Amino acid sequence: AQSVTQLDSHVSVSEGTPVLLRCNYSSSYSPSLFWYVQHPNKGLQLLLKYTSAATLVKGINGFEAEFKKSETSFHLTKPSAHMSDAAEYFCVVTRNAGGTSYGKLTFGQGTILTVHP
Amino acid sequence: NAGVTQTPKFQVLKTGQSMTLQCAQDMNHNSMYWYRQDPGMGLRLIYYSASEGTTDKGEVPNGYNVSRLNKREFSLRLESAAPSQTSVYFCASSYDRYEQYFGPGTRLTVT
Repeated sequence: AQSVTQLDSHVSVSEGTPVLLRCNYSSSYSPSLFWYVQHPNKGLQLLLKYTSAATLVKGINGFEAEFKKSETSFHLTKPSAHMSDAAEYFCVVTRNAGGTSYGKLTFGQGTILTVHP
Repeated sequence: NAGVTQTPKFQVLKTGQSMTLQCAQDMNHNSMYWYRQDPGMGLRLIYYSASEGTTDKGEVPNGYNVSRLNKREFSLRLESAAPSQTSVYFCASSYDRYEQYFGPGTRLTVT
């Protein structure tokens, strides 16, 4: 079994300040973890992924996330927010290898990021 | 290269009506998926197709059927729509089990 908890439903930052979106996961298996972004009325786009290689993962648009097994966390960060970062962000977990849960992504509830000028 | 396309973009149905949501991908992906998105619940998997010719239930399959028509196309059918099926529906595809590419979504309202 696997689950994801995004600790904040809304995060508000000023442009140019750091972004932190928090995600904790639970998995009976070795997990793969992802962050997806969804801009208003759009589909989802992959920001970055962790699949058991380096624990610090860099993604598009300056985002990065660190896999911390001891804390079962995969928080998303960005040093300096931009207005275009305003969107909803989803943390996602799936089984890393083997088993019958092929391709089954489990989504968190989402975090809406607001960026103020 | 259009990626994942979905039709229609919007639909309003009355309770009991039926409809089919269409999805196509041009990336030669093996796997395709249907999700529904409801406020505060993230995306939930309805059905998926790991490869052409196979389909499997996801987390919330009740009230839906799917057809993997060929490698490119994966349709979702609502036989008798209910208000609880009001949602945004996303189709996705993937080459491997990890990175999924999403379509723009279909907004369905059932009155």
